[in-house]
Amino acid sequence: DGGITQSPKYLFRKEGQNVTLSCEQNLNHDAMYWYRQDPGQGLRLIYYSQIVNDFQKGDIAEGYSVSREKKESFPLTVTSAQKNPTAFYLCASSSVRVANTGELFFGEGSRLTVL
Amino acid sequence: AQSVTQPDIHITVSEGASLELRCNYSYGATPYLFWYVQSPGQGLQLLLKYFSGDTLVQGIKGFEAEFKRSQSSFNLRKPSVHWSDAAEYFCAVLLNTNAGKSTFGDGTTLTVKP
Repeated sequence: DGGITQSPKYLFRKEGQNVTLSCEQNLNHDAMYWYRQDPGQGLRLIYYSQIVNDFQKGDIAEGYSVSREKKESFPLTVTSAQKNPTAFYLCASSSVRVANTGELFFGEGSRLTVL
Repeated sequence: AQSVTQPDIHITVSEGASLELRCNYSYGATPYLFWYVQSPGQGLQLLLKYFSGDTLVQGIKGFEAEFKRSQSSFNLRKPSVHWSDAAEYFCAVLLNTNAGKSTFGDGTTLTVKP
């Protein structure tokens, strides 16, 4: 079945460490997104990419980095510069073809806890 | 900037009762509109979407939503709620599919009483 796979589901990190969250999709979608979810704040866009080897900052990019070397993969690195990294992270993808309606397909999320 | 408001943070309904979750957006043009549902610790799943045509759209799991341009609203409804509908519901808008960036409301948590 086609879908989006995020790993790990749970991750613990000590302060000062970088961690990388994996996101892989087999939907043949061009666009991929990373969102951060905190209680009561909905989803906030961190980074997005509409094509391989290109990505743009979202609303809360500080302290995060991404790469898009392959169409199927869009890993997110949470760096030590991110002041409050404990959150639930969601990866999504969408098609950007003609007549696309912008529906997002989500992975099951990764919960990062900083100890 | 476009924004999405879900006025109700938390709603409790009895099983079998009707449900309406409110969503208002702020933007000059009519965006693409979506409702997503999220079970605890899971990703989001699309319930339904509106981009043109009939203003009453049907979705999965018996949900429907009505787009009202005059009120800039896209409220989600279900005639009879089931216990399995307990979840968090998010309204989202997308101005331009080429840009691809959806804006989400803060969500409404639905509790279903037996």
